[in-house]
Amino acid sequence: IAGITQAPTSQILAAGRRMTLRCTQDMRHNAMYWYRQDLGLGLRLIHYSNTAGTTGKGEVPDGYSVSRANTDDFPLTLASAVPSQTSVYFCASSRDVVNNEQFFGPGTRLTVL
Amino acid sequence: GENVEQHPSTLSVQEGDSAVIKCTYSDSASNYFPWYKQELGKRPQLIIDIRSNVGEKKDQRIAVTLNKTAKHFSLHITETQPEDSAVYFCAASGTYKYIFGTGTRLKVLA
Repeated sequence: IAGITQAPTSQILAAGRRMTLRCTQDMRHNAMYWYRQDLGLGLRLIHYSNTAGTTGKGEVPDGYSVSRANTDDFPLTLASAVPSQTSVYFCASSRDVVNNEQFFGPGTRLTVL
Repeated sequence: GENVEQHPSTLSVQEGDSAVIKCTYSDSASNYFPWYKQELGKRPQLIIDIRSNVGEKKDQRIAVTLNKTAKHFSLHITETQPEDSAVYFCAASGTYKYIFGTGTRLKVLA
């Protein structure tokens, strides 16, 4: 692994189903983030983690949960998907939480029908 | 709440001309201002950033200016080339998170 990766690349999901988007980084970054990107709305923060074992809510956390069991992994779970969660999801990481460059993963395109 | 306004939403320039994208932020505690470039279907990538103790920063054809009093910062691209065509996002950060602008789609016409 080099940098930050996400899986799956894309997914079509029936409404009401549970889905976990995976994110892994090998840069030993302390901070990790999940964003959703929708046309005309830019990148909006869903959840973040300052360090392993801690998480926090961003701008649009409803319907999503995260965990940070270790430094490398930061999965995002949709407990019961709804069509409004159709979006492109980007995971990102940074060395520390304060004022550092964020490195983005390649994204996951999720469609909820 | 905290927000970042970005203008224009779309910008078309002739190859070789300059492009300017402007952002305004609301949180006076913001002290780090990155700019990201996102090509179609790709991830956002940092192209330049500026911290609040600096008024201007240049990197080849790209420059960023910051006016903390007015809470404005701008991206300047000179001698634009077709490969500059992309969506550009500004962001403001004060503590643990970025607030992104809504993006500017730049088209460089050959």
